[in-house]
Amino acid sequence: DGGITQSPKYLFRKEGQNVTLSCEQNLNHDAMYWYRQDPGQGLRLIYYSHIVNDFQKGDIAEGYSVSREKKESFPLTVTSAQKNPTAFYLCASSMGQGRAQPQHFGDGTRLSIL
Amino acid sequence: AQSVTQPDIHITVSEGASLELRCNYSYGATPYLFWYVQSPGQGLQLLLKYFSGDTLVQGIKGFEAEFKRSQSSFNLRKPSVHWSDAAEYFCAVGAGSGYSTLTFGKGTMLLVSP
Repeated sequence: DGGITQSPKYLFRKEGQNVTLSCEQNLNHDAMYWYRQDPGQGLRLIYYSHIVNDFQKGDIAEGYSVSREKKESFPLTVTSAQKNPTAFYLCASSMGQGRAQPQHFGDGTRLSIL
Repeated sequence: AQSVTQPDIHITVSEGASLELRCNYSYGATPYLFWYVQSPGQGLQLLLKYFSGDTLVQGIKGFEAEFKRSQSSFNLRKPSVHWSDAAEYFCAVGAGSGYSTLTFGKGTMLLVSP
C-alpha cells in the first residue's frame, strides 16, 4: 500500500544534540512538508519542498534544516539551535503541481528532551 | 495572507446527536478548503475537500461540509455522531493557483458523551 512512513515514532534528544527525523513516501508525490504540532497550536509549517533539490522555509524554520536529494525522502534535522524542540512532528506529501492539493500525512514522530 | 479560524476549541456532543463544527477562512480569491481528522498520537486523515462546483460536499465517514462564500465559512456537519468520531478536527485553506501550501486552523476537539 502507498503511504508515508515516519521514523522513529518516539525520539529523545539530549541538550546540544542534533537529531534527524525520517520521512519516506511511495506515493510518487512531488511535494513534501514538515509540520510541528503543539497542544492548542494546530499545525505550523516548518519547511516544504515542491521538487527535488529545492525547498523553502515555512513559518517556523529557525533551528531546523532539511534536504531533498530524492523524490521519496525529506528528512528533517532538529538542531541544537532549536531551544524548544519538544513537540509532535508530522510529515506530509501532495501531488504539488500547482494549486492546493490534499496532503497525505504520516503517523508522526514525538520528540522529547532528556 | 490566508488564515483559518476554528472558533470552538472543544465541543461535546451526545452520541446519536447531530454535529456542526465551524470554520471561517480569510483568503482573497477562491479558496480550496479541506477538513481533516486526527486521532490521538496519529497523523491527519482527509475527510473531504472543496475545490469548486457544488457548495455541499460529501466526505468519508458520513461527514459533509457546506461552502458559503458570503460568510467565508466551510462548516463540517454530521447528522448522527458515533462514539468513534471523538477526535480532533482541523480545517485548512489553500490557494487555487500556483504552488501553494495549506494553512490550518488550530483545531476543534470533539468529545462524544454516552
